[in-house]
Amino acid sequence: DAKTTQPPSMDCAEGRAANLPCNHSTISGNEYVYWYRQIHSQGPQYIIHGLKNNETNEMASLIITEDRKSSTLILPHATLRDTAVYYCIVRFGSSNTGKLIFGQGTTLQVKP
Amino acid sequence: GAVVSQHPSWVICKSGTSVKIECRSLDFQATTMFWYRQFPKQSLMLMATSNEGSKATYEQGVEKDKFLINHASLTLSTLTVTSAHPEDSSFYICSARDAGIRQYFGPGTRLTVT
Repeated sequence: DAKTTQPPSMDCAEGRAANLPCNHSTISGNEYVYWYRQIHSQGPQYIIHGLKNNETNEMASLIITEDRKSSTLILPHATLRDTAVYYCIVRFGSSNTGKLIFGQGTTLQVKP
Repeated sequence: GAVVSQHPSWVICKSGTSVKIECRSLDFQATTMFWYRQFPKQSLMLMATSNEGSKATYEQGVEKDKFLINHASLTLSTLTVTSAHPEDSSFYICSARDAGIRQYFGPGTRLTVT
């Protein structure tokens, strides 16, 4: 599975958009980009995933560059409850043996 | 979204005893389940992958005789920590994936070995 690189920490003002970047320059054609977040002492929560196209759901938007070497998770209106560690992971999508390997993630601190 | 439960949510045991942690997928059939371990201030580390009815595949450095995994049905996997020692104290998290590509995580089990 391709390795990802994320900034260790970011701050965001409450109510503003939080843009979390992720580099995955070695991603291959069949690998999906997943985003999860983990709030302290809880299991990771699924946010969104994508392959090539931009994706949006009720939680966030995922913007994937045309060359697929990087992506950005956007939380449109961050709240204090969005303070968490955000993990960007790439995984081979069609294989039952694909694994989610977690890096260090980005600690997002949403401030009042 | 899909729900994955774990039981117990926390457990304290004495050194040398064994502890079993259950992981259930509540509203879908999990063809593959995963077990992770997380130490304080660290990221999740994958321990093993199990497919229903098959032996688990362990990651490098994880002792298969110490961490016994059973995936007897499409909705239940168990992790047994045998002869637990204080260094096994950690946050254990299971994850389940259906036939698709989405993977869900349980709430975790905090194990403390005294």
